[in-house]
Amino acid sequence: DAGITQSPRHKVTETGTPVTLRCHQTENHRYMYWYRQDPGHGLRLIHYSYGVKDTDKGEVSDGYSVSRSKTEDFLLTLESATSSQTSVYFCAISRGPDTGELFFGEGSRLTVL
Amino acid sequence: GQQLNQSPQSMFIQEGEDVSMNCTSSSIFNTWLWYKQDPGEGPVLLIALYKAGELTSNGRLTAQFGITRKDSFLNISASIPSDVGIYFCAGQLAGARSRQLTFGSGTQLTVLP
Repeated sequence: DAGITQSPRHKVTETGTPVTLRCHQTENHRYMYWYRQDPGHGLRLIHYSYGVKDTDKGEVSDGYSVSRSKTEDFLLTLESATSSQTSVYFCAISRGPDTGELFFGEGSRLTVL
Repeated sequence: GQQLNQSPQSMFIQEGEDVSMNCTSSSIFNTWLWYKQDPGEGPVLLIALYKAGELTSNGRLTAQFGITRKDSFLNISASIPSDVGIYFCAGQLAGARSRQLTFGSGTQLTVLP
């Protein structure tokens, strides 16, 4: 196991409510990522972080924000959830930005009604 | 948007058969990787390829980085029931400002007894 814990693992919420997903790692890696997985789309990058307070947008960042105040925690926030954000969210870590070798968490399934 | 074409989308094979899947793109990639996702879990790295023409094996799995740098394939020999899952190709685009991975949409593999 790569020492990645995502919480919550499952959440059902209503449109318009805020949601925060947490990713916690015990590997002390600088590089962390949030992906969403949807049928027919594979995995798409939402946001990523290269260190504490160093974050950037990925391919599908609209409607999402992130924060990284500690090396071990990377939070993904949906300020006002919409039904289009129903998805499975994966956190990943890597030893460096160039390898492409990611270690994924077990995922958080979010349903927005 | 999606720049990797992964095929086939799904495969049903008999236990013991060999499997082949591939990813193609109109763009050039510096890195190709193959991940496997078991139901309810996050993807796990199978093989990473860093040089054009590179052929790498991991047990019954063999993957190649295409010589044109625009494609990659994954072969699984003598399939077994635990090979069931979704296989994703991923790559790092050459020349991209971001070194983030682009994922294919996945190949769902079913192994019949």
